This record gives sequence, structure tokens and C-alpha cells, in this order.
Amino acid sequence: DGGITQSPKYLFRKEGQNVTLSCEQNLNHDAMYWYRQDPGQGLRLIYYSQIVNDFQKGDIAEGYSVSREKKESFPLTVTSAQKNPTAFYLCASSIVQGGYNQPQHFGDGTRLSIL
Amino acid sequence: DQQVKQNSPSLSVQEGRISILNCDYTNSMFDYFLWYKKYPAEGPTFLISISSIKDKNEDGRFTVFLNKSAKHLSLHIVPSQPGDSAVYFCAAKGGSTGGGNKLTFGTGTQLKVEL
Repeated sequence: DGGITQSPKYLFRKEGQNVTLSCEQNLNHDAMYWYRQDPGQGLRLIYYSQIVNDFQKGDIAEGYSVSREKKESFPLTVTSAQKNPTAFYLCASSIVQGGYNQPQHFGDGTRLSIL
Repeated sequence: DQQVKQNSPSLSVQEGRISILNCDYTNSMFDYFLWYKKYPAEGPTFLISISSIKDKNEDGRFTVFLNKSAKHLSLHIVPSQPGDSAVYFCAAKGGSTGGGNKLTFGTGTQLKVEL
């Protein structure tokens, strides 16, 4: 089945460690996105990429890094510079079609906690 | 600066009745609006969308209404079913959010459909 796969579902990080969250899609979508959700808040955009080897910062990019070496994959690294990394992280993808609006489709998320 | 606002954090409705979820926005450049449904520990699922050139879009039990002059949209669910109990997010695209399909999300409304 086509979809977006995020792994792991739960992740624990020690203070000072970098961790990488995986996101893979087989929908042949050009664009991919990373969001963060905190309790009682909406989704906030961390990074997005509309094409391979290119990505842009979202609203809360500090302390995070991404890469887009393949169309199917958009891993997110939470670095030690991110002071409040505990959150639910969501990856999404969408078609990029000039002049037409397309919804984003989401994976099931990774919950990151600090030990 | 909360550009998309869902002022009701929760809503309780009886099974079979209408559920009305509301969303207000401040950015007049938004041109595409979406509703997502989210269960705990899962990613949001796309429900329905509307372009700014329309004032109504219907899909089965779900109808979205857009009032551009009031910068207000609403999601109507008729009839409400227990399986509709979830958090509903309103999202908007366009304006200062930049290129591609970047979305700005509201904080969500928890809908509970009671028997």
C-alpha cells in the first residue's frame, strides 16, 4: 500500500545526543515536510523540501537539520542544540502541482522523549 | 502570531446530531483551507478542503463553509457518529507561509460524540 512510514514510533534521547527520525514515502510525492506537535498546540513546521537536494526552514528550524538525498526519504535530525525536543514529530508529503492545491498526507508520527 | 485560530478547545455532541467546528483566520492571502482529523498517537488524516473561490464544499457527511469577508470557516458533520470523536485541525495555505503547500494549522478542537 502507498503511504508514509515514520520510524521509530517512540524514541528516547539522552541529554547532549543527536537523534535522527526517519520518514519514507512511496507515494511519488515531490514535497515533504516535518512538523512538531506539542500538547494543546497545533502543528508547527520545522523544515520542508519541494525537490531532491533542496529544503527550506520552516517556522521553528533552530536545533534541527534535514537532508533530502532521495525523493522517497526526508530524515530529521534533532540536535543537542534543540533545548526542548520532547514532542510528537509528524512527517508529511504532497504533490507539487503548479496552480492546483493538493492536501498533505501524514505519517503516524514519532514521539521523542528525553531521558 | 496565531494566524489560524480554533477558539473552542472542545465540543460535545450527541450521536445523530450536527457537529459544527469553527475556525477563524487573520491572513487575507490564504487561498486554500483544509480540515484534518486526528486520533491520539496517529498522524492527521485529511478530511475535506475548500478553495477561496468557493463558499461551500461537500463530501458525504462533511461540509465545509467559507466566509471570506468574515475570515471564517466551519466544518459541519451530519449526522455525527461516535467514530467521529477525535481532534479536528483547521489549516490554511498561502499568504506569508510561502511556497509549495506550506500549511498553517490551528490548535485543534476535541470533538466528543456521545451515545
